[in-house]
Amino acid sequence: RKEVEQDPGPFNVPEGATVAFNCTYSNSASQSFFWYRQDCRKEPKLLMSVYSSGNEDGRFTAQLNRASQYISLLIRDSKLSDSATYLCVVATGGGNKLTFGTGTQLKVEL
Amino acid sequence: NAGVTQTPKFQVLKTGQSMTLQCAQDMNHEYMSWYRQDPGMGLRLIHYSVGAGITDQGEVPNGYNVSRSTTEDFPLRLLSAAPSQTSVYFCASSSPGRTGASTGELFFGEGSRLTVL
Repeated sequence: RKEVEQDPGPFNVPEGATVAFNCTYSNSASQSFFWYRQDCRKEPKLLMSVYSSGNEDGRFTAQLNRASQYISLLIRDSKLSDSATYLCVVATGGGNKLTFGTGTQLKVEL
Repeated sequence: NAGVTQTPKFQVLKTGQSMTLQCAQDMNHEYMSWYRQDPGMGLRLIHYSVGAGITDQGEVPNGYNVSRSTTEDFPLRLLSAAPSQTSVYFCASSSPGRTGASTGELFFGEGSRLTVL
């Protein structure tokens, strides 16, 4: 079983739609959780951290369920510019070992 | 502020050749790491370092060596390249967090695309 699993997609959605991505992790000792965004042929960039209480940053909402070892990312009012691959990241080893999921591809269409 | 700089951006090697991928950061970050990214596999951690003189293995360390003689530099060495090492390589750094050398906010270089024939 992979340490971090994501649905690869692609998710094709119309502009303005709400879309949700899920991610599961296998190591119950994982300490920190993140969502990264990667544009085609570019380097990944941090989108947001994920906190136990859930957190929101504009149109983006992240949630963590430690009991089910599950992380989610919700994007509201999708924009064309949201088209990218979204990577779920889990940290172990005192926060020094970051394991990336394979990513979920989002395509927002007119 | 240059951030994380990787060189070269592109490289073609023949099987058995050696080379070093360079990585430098100017943010005074203690934590640095190397990942490779392959289609369908995502980013996989090769080696990481929590400070000068300290390195540790990640998920896929075989075939790669690293050293960390300064805070700024973290080169990745391929001693005898193999076609299986054809990949995109990313170097990343992070500032210290409360529980470790990384906050989890990684700053990536632009990547180095390596082809081994």
